Amino acid sequence: DTAVSQTPKYLVTQMGNDKSIKCEQNLGHDTMYWYKQDSKKFLKIMFSYNNKELIINETVPNRFSPKSPDKAHLNLHINSLELGDSAVYFCASSQSQNYGYTFGSGTRLTVV
Amino acid sequence: AQKVTQAQTEISVVEKEDVTLDCVYETRDTTYYLFWYKQPPSGELVFLIRRNSFDEQNEISGRYSWNFQKSTSSFNFTITASQVVDSAVYFCALRGSWDSSYKLIFGSGTRLLVRP
Repeated sequence: DTAVSQTPKYLVTQMGNDKSIKCEQNLGHDTMYWYKQDSKKFLKIMFSYNNKELIINETVPNRFSPKSPDKAHLNLHINSLELGDSAVYFCASSQSQNYGYTFGSGTRLTVV
Repeated sequence: AQKVTQAQTEISVVEKEDVTLDCVYETRDTTYYLFWYKQPPSGELVFLIRRNSFDEQNEISGRYSWNFQKSTSSFNFTITASQVVDSAVYFCALRGSWDSSYKLIFGSGTRLLVRP
């Protein structure tokens, strides 16, 4: 069983389109995250939800909208995609401060 | 401010050499956690170790060892007798107790290339 699963793994789309990435965790963790990894490998947090409540929103354009229908799911919707949105997006979950994150395998988004 | 610095952008070694990856962190918190993650060419992020700020014991796991020095705010990672399969990007990360978000702050990563 995959602990944190993201779909799709690859996403190629044209500028201006709207797309979603889905994330699900079966670990029973309370907190979920979205991270963006750019072409230089920098990993930066975008959002975090704790028990379906948004607790981190890190200066991300409002074209990005996370949605957490329950604590096991955290989806990322992106409107009006731009070339600069091309990156790898990682979903992660954690139970508490005492533990590390468990990451999904990443979604490589390419905007053309 | 909370910050993690990995000054080595890229390291290249020949197989069987030992290699140390440096990590320096900044935090105002007295309680915090440090992590290392490995990102192989396949792209996933693999958890390697977690260390809390009250435990300065060095840790060894097979060919991997970690040296935590609070006095110099460093958490260095050594691979002994490196192998080609160790080629990856390695990230050091910090999680503090300054809020309840459990936010993990990553360094910029060190790309390790182990040549046969």
